[in-house]
Amino acid sequence: GAVVSQHPSWVICKSGTSVKIECRSLDFQATTMFWYRQFPKQSLMLMATSNEGSKATYEQGVEKDKFLINHASLTLSTLTVTSAHPEDSSFYICSATQGSIQQFFGPGTRLTVL
Amino acid sequence: DQQVKQNSPSLSVQEGRISILNCDYTNSMFDYFLWYKKYPAEGPTFLISISSIKDKNEDGRFTVFLNKSAKHLSLHIVPSQPGDSAVYFCAAILEGGYNKLIFGAGTRLAVHP
Repeated sequence: GAVVSQHPSWVICKSGTSVKIECRSLDFQATTMFWYRQFPKQSLMLMATSNEGSKATYEQGVEKDKFLINHASLTLSTLTVTSAHPEDSSFYICSATQGSIQQFFGPGTRLTVL
Repeated sequence: DQQVKQNSPSLSVQEGRISILNCDYTNSMFDYFLWYKKYPAEGPTFLISISSIKDKNEDGRFTVFLNKSAKHLSLHIVPSQPGDSAVYFCAAILEGGYNKLIFGAGTRLAVHP
């Protein structure tokens, strides 16, 4: 149990385009979903916290207009990277929780912006 | 300012021996600590956690020790197996922090035969 999926697993896009990443909890309802990004050989940095039906809470330094988060249901959250640029290339990972301290992580999405 | 620090970027251990992964923190308001294991191009998987009111938690081959006075915790894996080779992240949750995880930089463990 407690499986989280992400789609796509990797994406390559041109600079200036937008990319949507989906995060789904497959066998449980997630009260909260988190979005992280990881640069090579670095730690996971929390970008935002998303609760179903409400606006996401962004961490300091994360542009909410660039990284749009929609948490439409208890099993789906989406992250849209708008007007992507090469510096947005990274590994994006979501996690989901049912309210406990334990977060279940998705497999991640590798974004490459040309 | 890094609140959770893993100062050893890598560790190499022989199969069957003990692996000890260390983590230091600066914020005394952390009330939970967790260890995650991560393979390349995959999301982290939860290993073990410990509450700040405890000093030890054990689960099979994995034991986490917490020294609050030193603001230090460690993950012991014994016996180490080749399948344990991965990056291990220490993470902490602030009291009243809505379960947001603050991660260390990770330690790459290599278990060789």
